[in-house]
Amino acid sequence: DQQVKQNSPSLSVQEGRISILNCDYTNSMFDYFLWYKKYPAEGPTFLISISSIKDKNEDGRFTVFLNKSAKHLSLHIVPSQPGDSAVYFCAAKKINNAGNMLTFGGGTRLMVKP
Amino acid sequence: ETGVTQSPTHLIKTRGQQVTLRCSSQSGHNTVSWYQQALGQGPQFIFQYYREEENGRGNFPPRFSGLQFPNYSSELNVNALELDDSALYLCASSLSAGETQYFGPGTRLLVL
Repeated sequence: DQQVKQNSPSLSVQEGRISILNCDYTNSMFDYFLWYKKYPAEGPTFLISISSIKDKNEDGRFTVFLNKSAKHLSLHIVPSQPGDSAVYFCAAKKINNAGNMLTFGGGTRLMVKP
Repeated sequence: ETGVTQSPTHLIKTRGQQVTLRCSSQSGHNTVSWYQQALGQGPQFIFQYYREEENGRGNFPPRFSGLQFPNYSSELNVNALELDDSALYLCASSLSAGETQYFGPGTRLLVL
């Protein structure tokens, strides 16, 4: 049972345009969500997070939106740059659960074309 | 400030063997989590160590075990290797058990 899903395995966007990466979850106990970016041969790099008490969090070019009723979150990158080309993972957790386990989606490969 | 480091970077083992993977946490971090990432999938939580004690475990069999040392570095041990254990093993450290996890580059294990 996949509790966090990223239904688009890949996304291609033109440089300068908006990239929107989507993530759905099924476990209503999740109350904290994160996005990580992964380049080949490197570990995932933390990008941005959001608590379930908020519906939006912004950090520079990156904005995460959370729709709790739909159990859906999205990452917006504006404007997209070629250096943003990577695999993006969304992750979710229950705050204060044992081990603070992150449950990851399967990833979306973003390609930003110059 | 040194980030999370892992060794070795690559490893080839045969079925039935045992393997030990190592992780040095980021300076000031007392918590280490281990994840397994199979090809084409997202990372899956194995377990977490907080101040040298196991602090939570995912759905992995007992042949996956770990240690955390007083300097907060950590080891992941896998006994009786199976072909399906072939994966990228990621270590993540955090300031404390509930804080944001920062990942190392991973160890790629191939079991033949």
